[in-house]
Amino acid sequence: GEDVEQSLFLSVREGDSSVINCTYTDSSSTYLYWYKQEPGAGLQLLTYIFSNMDMKQDQRLTVLLNKKDKHLSLRIADTQTGDSAIYFCADHSGGYQKVTFGTGTKLQVIP
Amino acid sequence: EAGVVQSPRYKIIEKKQPVAFWCNPISGHNTLYWYRQNLGQGPELLIRYENEEAVDDSQLPKDRFSAERLKGVDSTLKIQPAELGDSAVYLCASSLSGTGANVLTFGAGSRLTVL
Repeated sequence: GEDVEQSLFLSVREGDSSVINCTYTDSSSTYLYWYKQEPGAGLQLLTYIFSNMDMKQDQRLTVLLNKKDKHLSLRIADTQTGDSAIYFCADHSGGYQKVTFGTGTKLQVIP
Repeated sequence: EAGVVQSPRYKIIEKKQPVAFWCNPISGHNTLYWYRQNLGQGPELLIRYENEEAVDDSQLPKDRFSAERLKGVDSTLKIQPAELGDSAVYLCASSLSGTGANVLTFGAGSRLTVL
């Protein structure tokens, strides 16, 4: 079945850039997503990218997709303390609506 | 728009007791999901509904878990009897699925503690 992997933890200083990485196994993924989860809350969509794109920029967020290596990354520019949360990547296989989530990366922003 | 509403937010029960969770999705969303999130892990799909039909329940432990989505709107997830390993956050999500991106809107979750 599908598998989505992430590193567990990332610590950065306020103002620096954060890069969160994700690998997936399903070659038929059509969309890939980044969600954010704050303590005690559900997941909230940050951004997504279509599989025929290799980059998408949305304000402070940049998504890079290497479809050949099945590697997805999320770069957060000028990271703020409010960005501290758990970030999940997820993939969506074409033809049906199953969305598979990764294990999550906890981002800690040090003031 | 109230978003996806789940209740209860917290539930503490003893093992072998039953428990039920309720979800009210975004109005007009045809697809509804129940995920289980264990501590420190990502959400794992339990069941997915397209309107009132359960189209993917392969990960639902059917000996003790059941779900329903009456009239293709609200949904309930039941566990009977609960076991210690069922302690987790149960997340409901909904989406308006079609041919494009499938953006899920999540509720805040129902945290279950089984003693």
